[in-house]
Amino acid sequence: GNSVTQMEGPVTLSEEAFLTINCTYTATGYPSLFWYVQYPGEGLQLLLKATKADDKGSNKGFEATYRKETTSFHLEKGSVQVSDSAVYFCALSAVPAGGTSYGKLTFGQGTILTVHP
Amino acid sequence: GAVVSQHPSRVICKSGTSVKIECRSLDFQATTMFWYRQFPKKSLMLMATSNEGSKATYEQGVEKDKFLINHASLTLSTLTVTSAHPEDSSFYICSAQTGGGQPQHFGDGTRLSIL
Repeated sequence: GNSVTQMEGPVTLSEEAFLTINCTYTATGYPSLFWYVQYPGEGLQLLLKATKADDKGSNKGFEATYRKETTSFHLEKGSVQVSDSAVYFCALSAVPAGGTSYGKLTFGQGTILTVHP
Repeated sequence: GAVVSQHPSRVICKSGTSVKIECRSLDFQATTMFWYRQFPKKSLMLMATSNEGSKATYEQGVEKDKFLINHASLTLSTLTVTSAHPEDSSFYICSAQTGGGQPQHFGDGTRLSIL
């Protein structure tokens, strides 16, 4: 089956520090990969995505590269801000070979990020 | 674009009552909508997938008679928690998708508290 594993949190950083949140996956078929962010008390917002190997998704200074050889999609940001404090979810949506996408997302467990001034 | 509105954002009610939560795609047509449940500091648990005009597909362990899902149009899906009890208290989140393989767009969630 499909699964997503994220690094354990919480992650606490000072403002302007470099951020990496690791994400690895197992999947059948050809997955699309996503990072979602959840601010306190809110739903999820799509942060970035990549739909095929070697694609790099980027948004708001965050980026992640789809690495098929290591089945990874690590999230990075060069300089975090206090406003980046949130929960980050890695997710995949797998498309079976020769089939149509079911659209179901498989989520990682989420990583809490806290950025201090 | 791709805005999903979920209503209400918060509801508190007595045990035994039924609660309806609405999920609307405001600026796109959603062929598929998903309903999730999220426990505190936990990931999202998919409850069911609904396609417009057809019966919802429930995940294993989710009681379909307890959590009624209706997807009557391409812009509206509802989740009704019937005869709610305190253990049903949770954060419920919907998402909508224009088509297979496309990103899901999430609502802001509904905090349900059953007294």
